Order: sequence, then structure tokens, then C-alpha cells
Amino acid sequence: GAVVSQHPSWVICKSGTSVKIECRSLDFQATTMFWYRQFPKQSLMLMATSNEGSKATYEQGVEKDKFLINHASLTLSTLTVTSAHPEDSSFYICSARGPFKETQYFGPGTRLLVL
Amino acid sequence: SQKIEQNSEALNIQEGKTATLTCNYTNYSPAYLQWYRQDPGRGPVFLLLIRENEKEKRKERLKVTFDTTLKQSLFHITASQPADSATYLCALGETGGFKTIFGAGTRLFVKA
Repeated sequence: GAVVSQHPSWVICKSGTSVKIECRSLDFQATTMFWYRQFPKQSLMLMATSNEGSKATYEQGVEKDKFLINHASLTLSTLTVTSAHPEDSSFYICSARGPFKETQYFGPGTRLLVL
Repeated sequence: SQKIEQNSEALNIQEGKTATLTCNYTNYSPAYLQWYRQDPGRGPVFLLLIRENEKEKRKERLKVTFDTTLKQSLFHITASQPADSATYLCALGETGGFKTIFGAGTRLFVKA
């Protein structure tokens, strides 16, 4: 149990376009989802916390107009990278609170390359 | 300032030996500590959670200790196998807190 999926697993786009990444909890209801960014050989950097039905809470330094988060249901959250630029190229990972509040279950990640 | 420190140098061990990874923290009062495994290009996978009032927890070949006085957790993999090669992340959750804070991880290589 406690499976989280992400789609797409990788995406290549041109600079200036927008990219949407979906995060789904497949077998449990996730009241909270988290979005992380990870650069090679570095730690997970929390970007924002998403609660179902309410606005996301962004970490300091993360542009909310650049990274739009929507948590429309208890099983789906989306991250949209708007007007993507090469510096947005990274590995984006979502996670969801599982049946036990402390444990986060992670998706497999989405690798974004902006040309 | 708050810090979570994991050994940034990779740990290389021989198959069959016990791997021990360390997680130290400062300026935190964690209610619990978790260990995750992350393979290259993949999301982390939850392994174990230990609470502040627990000294030790085991799961199959894994053992975690939690010393709130030393502000340290040790993660052991006994009878290690090449398939255990991965990056291991520790993560802290504070009392009354909402977020989980992750360390940078330690890369483990198990040689056959």
C-alpha cells in the first residue's frame, strides 16, 4: 500500500513554455502533499506544502507565481512550472502523507529539462 | 542554526559486513526520526521511523538507534548486499511541527 505516482517521469520543453506535473496517491487519501526539488548529489529541497482544498504554502525563496500548485482532490496534486527557463531544469519529486501522519510516501520523480 | 548532518563521503563496505550510517542534528527537538532509501533518479522510499521515546527499532536486516542526548541516530544494515547500495537519507519531524526536514544523505556502496 501507500503508492504515489507521478506523471510524466521526464519532460523536455522549450524555454518559455509551461509544464504540468501530476502527483497521485493511488491507494490512500492524502490530505497533504509536498513538492520537492533536487539537484544532483544534493538534498531534497522542499518547495511547497499542498493541502487539499486550500492554497499551497510556499517555502521562502520559492516563487508562487512561477510554481503553481493545485491540490484539487484527496488523491491529486499538480505542479505547473510556468514560463520555464533552463535554470528550472531539475528533478521534481512529490510526496504524500500516508495513513500515519509522520510518514511521507514519495513519487518516483519527474526529470525536467528546459532547453 | 538548525542542522542535520550526514556523512557526505560515500561509505564503501564489503558484502556481508554491517554498514553503519550516522545522522547528527543540532538545534532540533525531533519528535521522530525517519530513514529513507533513494536510488539514482528515483524518489526516496520510506524504511523506518523511530520516535523520541524509543531507543532502538529493527526491521529485518535494518536497525535504527536514536539518542536524543547525543542528538544522533545510527542506521545499521547487517549482512549487507550489493543491492543495498543506494543513498540513505535521515529526516526529522519536530514536536507539533508539520514538515519533515531531510539530511543530504550518505551514499553506500556494497562490494561483492
